[in-house]
Order: sequence, then C-alpha cells, then structure tokens
Amino acid sequence: AQRVTQPEKLLSVFKGAPVELKCNYSYSGSPELFWYVQYSRQRLQLLLRHISRESIKGFTADLNKGETSFHLKKPFAQEEDSAMYYCALGFNAGNMLTFGGGTRLMVKP
Amino acid sequence: DVKVTQSSRYLVKRTGEKVFLECVQDMDHENMFWYRQDPGLGLRLIYFSYDVKMKEKGDIPEGYSVSREKKERFSLILESASTNQTSMYLCASSLPGQGEKLFFGSGTQLSVL
Repeated sequence: AQRVTQPEKLLSVFKGAPVELKCNYSYSGSPELFWYVQYSRQRLQLLLRHISRESIKGFTADLNKGETSFHLKKPFAQEEDSAMYYCALGFNAGNMLTFGGGTRLMVKP
Repeated sequence: DVKVTQSSRYLVKRTGEKVFLECVQDMDHENMFWYRQDPGLGLRLIYFSYDVKMKEKGDIPEGYSVSREKKERFSLILESASTNQTSMYLCASSLPGQGEKLFFGSGTQLSVL
C-alpha cells in the first residue's frame, strides 16, 4: 500500500533562511509526487508536481527514487510562505492521492 | 474558475444525530472526494466517486456513507454522529486521470458534542 510520511509537524525558520520540508514515500509502482499548500483561511491548492520540474514561488522539489523522497526546498524563506504544506502521492492511474500528515511552516520576521 | 462549494462552514451537532454535509462543483468533474483533515494526520480519504450513483470506500469509511445522485453534487452522511467525528471535512473534485489537480472546497468544521 502507498504511504507518505512528513516527519516534521512544525518547521520554524527566520525570514531569509533556507527551508527544506521533508517528504518520504513508499509505493510499489512508479510514483507521482505533489506538494499542496494551504495558506491561512484559504483553500488547499496544488503547489507543484515532480513531473513538471517547475519552480513555483521559489520552491522546488526533486524526486529521489533511491531515497524515496520528495523534499520541498526554498533558498530564502519569506513571511508569506507561512502555511500548511502537504506532500501527496498519486496512484490508481492518476485518479487518487494519498496525503502525508502535513508540516506547518512558520517564517518569523 | 472552478468552484467547489460546501454548504456549511461551521456545524455543531449532538452525538447520535444524522448529519448531512453537502458539496457542489460547477466544472462538470467526474471525480469527487470527501476527506477529513486532522492535525498531525493530514488528509484522509473517506469516500470517493467516479461517476453518478457510483461510490467507493476510501481509507476511513467507517461511520460514513455518501450519495451521488447528480454529477455536480456529492453528499457525505454521518449516520449517527460521534465525538470522534469532530473534524474539518474537505470536499474535492477533479477530472479523470487528473487526480493531482484536485480542486478543494473551503471545508466544513464539524463539532459533535
């Protein structure tokens, strides 16, 4: 069965510091990984997908199949990055997602 | 702009009551989902539906049922609410094969007293 683990429930950094939100997965098939974000009082929304290898709002994430990880990184955190971040694994021909437990990122001024 | 609308933002019910949570989407999406969101546990899938009158159990279906009589509407039913069902409930929809492009509703915070 598929599983997504986010080991940190809370990550607190100062503005301008680098950020890395960890995500590990277990899945027997070919993984599709995503990061979702939920800002305060807003809906949960897709941030980025591993397949597109894009940078969104300065965030990047690289799929490491050897380590079964998909960590989210940003070199210089901003206060507006404070939010809840969820890592998710796609399966069932792209129709389903399994989410991790989430990490709350707090960026202090 | 896709809209997924959940009928109530906050709901307070008593133990044993039958509770209906309604969700409507306006983008003609085939796939609809109900998740509950709990701190530290993330989002857990309760039920999902790929089409009208079709439903499948997710990871935590116990104590819940669903109804999808129309394509745009997906209802979550708590047959007999219990205190451990106090949670934030999120509805979402997507197109077939595009499960990563989930469009979420704003959520219903249910408190069962």
